[in-house]
Amino acid sequence: NAGVTQTPKFQVLKTGQSMTLQCAQDMNHEYMSWYRQDPGMGLRLIHYSVGAGITDQGEVPNGYNVSRSTTEDFPLRLLSAAPSQTSVYFCASSYGRWKGISGANVLTFGAGSRLTVL
Amino acid sequence: KQEVTQIPAALSVPEGENLVLNCSFTDSAIYNLQWFRQDPGKGLTSLLLIQSSQREQTSGRLNASLDKSSGRSTLYIAASQPGDSATYLCAVSPPGGGNKLTFGTGTQLKVEL
Repeated sequence: NAGVTQTPKFQVLKTGQSMTLQCAQDMNHEYMSWYRQDPGMGLRLIHYSVGAGITDQGEVPNGYNVSRSTTEDFPLRLLSAAPSQTSVYFCASSYGRWKGISGANVLTFGAGSRLTVL
Repeated sequence: KQEVTQIPAALSVPEGENLVLNCSFTDSAIYNLQWFRQDPGKGLTSLLLIQSSQREQTSGRLNASLDKSSGRSTLYIAASQPGDSATYLCAVSPPGGGNKLTFGTGTQLKVEL
């Protein structure tokens, strides 16, 4: 059971370039989300999804695009990278419906993708 | 807008000490609260999840409490060990559940030999 897999782990971009951070989960979780983590600011929600075909914006969505064509995958696209998007990005997933079992509804995180925009 | 605060930002204790980490949130209308652990350069690992209707959850040496009315949660770590050294984050989810968590900035814990 791989859990939540993020690729790439590290990426360096130049300003204006575009790229996609990949996220895949194999736990049949309905909910998936993307967070960015910056020093002194904690984790902030970028975009989230409650199921295939359904996405919505989080706290800091500008400059990012997402789609959810399958239950397993939730890629994050940077349309035109800016230095302000230098950060560590985390993908997370969880069950949507309350399972009533201890620990079943916790959020499972990927290992993170460290992005530097020059 | 929900705001989550964790105090202190950093804490250093000798091995074997019992300790309490604090988390406060401004809006008491939450679905659940989770405590996470993050090791340097790693992702987050969920430690405990407390539903809004619950008062506490326990896992091994960890005990998390929730007082929704006062907007507070504590994470109690018994008999701390050097392996407990990490950053501990709390996060709350809004009514309706989901994965729209609001995180605190964390408490960096160091347990010294």
